[in-house]
Amino acid sequence: EAGVAQSPRYKIIEKRQSVAFWCNPISGHATLYWYQQILGQGPKLLIQFQNNGVVDDSQLPKDRFSAERLKGVDSTLKIQPAKLEDSAVYLCASSAAVGVRADTQYFGPGTRLTVL
Amino acid sequence: DAKTTQPTSMDCAEGRAANLPCNHSTISGNEYVYWYRQIHSQGPQYIIHGLKNNETNEMASLIITEDRKSSTLILPHATLRDTAVYYCIVRAISSGSARQLTFGSGTQLTVLP
Repeated sequence: EAGVAQSPRYKIIEKRQSVAFWCNPISGHATLYWYQQILGQGPKLLIQFQNNGVVDDSQLPKDRFSAERLKGVDSTLKIQPAKLEDSAVYLCASSAAVGVRADTQYFGPGTRLTVL
Repeated sequence: DAKTTQPTSMDCAEGRAANLPCNHSTISGNEYVYWYRQIHSQGPQYIIHGLKNNETNEMASLIITEDRKSSTLILPHATLRDTAVYYCIVRAISSGSARQLTFGSGTQLTVLP
């Protein structure tokens, strides 16, 4: 079974530029999550999708961050404009909608963003 | 979700058992204990979870105290590849869609040769 795919793995931009990250979840997984992990801290949830609908985006800085999950499969997370404090690893995870393992999240390798 | 307390770091000799403690004194009756780990430059990886009975799988064992206020993750024969940050997370199994994980700072386990 293929895991969660993310791209790019690394990105360096200057502040005020925009950037986009892509995630392809495990096939058949209805729930998709984006987390932000700042160096030395645990991951923090930004947004959760169930199929192509948003379940929770309460911690997403909506003035600069946006995310979409068209057709309930792939997802993109965008930052526009980026700030220095956005430097972090952005992790995508997915989980099955139902079943015994429905609450187990599977994570991708992450995208490391550096804002200069 | 209940808050957890873990030591910041621990060392373990290769081949020995690694015992990682977690305190969750405010856990509710419907909350499970989850363990994930994060190897350097990788995403977190699910290890095991349990409610009140001890659990074992191919990766580890989870021992939950009778009062459920604390638990211990046991890696029976630690290898260098087990060096990682280990996160203990307490969360209710949701019948709906809110299956968020709230990560703390975790325990940095270093397995020494």
